[in-house]
Amino acid sequence: SQQGEEDPQALSIQEGENATMNCSYKTSINNLQWYRQNSGRGLVHLILIRSNEREKHSGRLRVTLDTSKKSSSLLITASRAADTASYFCATDGRGSTLGRLYFGRGTQLTVWP
Amino acid sequence: DAGVIQSPRHEVTEMGQEVTLRCKPISGHNSLFWYRQTMMRGLELLIYFNNNVPIDDSGMPEDRFSAKMPNASFSTLKIQPSEPRDSAVYFCASSLFGGLFRVVDTEAFFGQGTRLTVV
Repeated sequence: SQQGEEDPQALSIQEGENATMNCSYKTSINNLQWYRQNSGRGLVHLILIRSNEREKHSGRLRVTLDTSKKSSSLLITASRAADTASYFCATDGRGSTLGRLYFGRGTQLTVWP
Repeated sequence: DAGVIQSPRHEVTEMGQEVTLRCKPISGHNSLFWYRQTMMRGLELLIYFNNNVPIDDSGMPEDRFSAKMPNASFSTLKIQPSEPRDSAVYFCASSLFGGLFRVVDTEAFFGQGTRLTVV
């Protein structure tokens, strides 16, 4: 399977702390994306990092990518209760997969006020 | 654009009945995905269309499931007959894919999902 796998499965922190989630994948990629899902809602795209990039920032989000280890991390700094959600990584397969996205099982983040 | 629109938002049906889920992708997008999400199995890709053509339906669990995309602005996922184990949230997503030999960012936009309960 080309699916990404997030780690940990669940993370519980206090407001103001940083949250780090990791993702590992198996095959070569064009890019890796992170999505967020609030309870009962659809997934929302957060940030994309291309295979030739090592780090990317967007607001309080910081994403790193290590293609040699086939892994990525998502850091949310100064977390807020509103960041409580599930976070998924998705990889864009190469070759004949024609833009298909492969999702992991997600990390459930709970931020306590 | 209003985003990806799915209907209905909730569906409760009896076992054996036919269920049809509908999706309107974002205008201009050329790829459409149907996903199923459950606690046990996570987010599973059921079928994937590119330019209205089914590219990969290997995720469709059984012949009871079928999907169509008659035009670029509409897709359906049908389950006939439905079974209790089909209960899940079904998501439709669309994206703009730039082609096999172009490196294009394939960000997916998801609908709000249809929560299906088969009793």
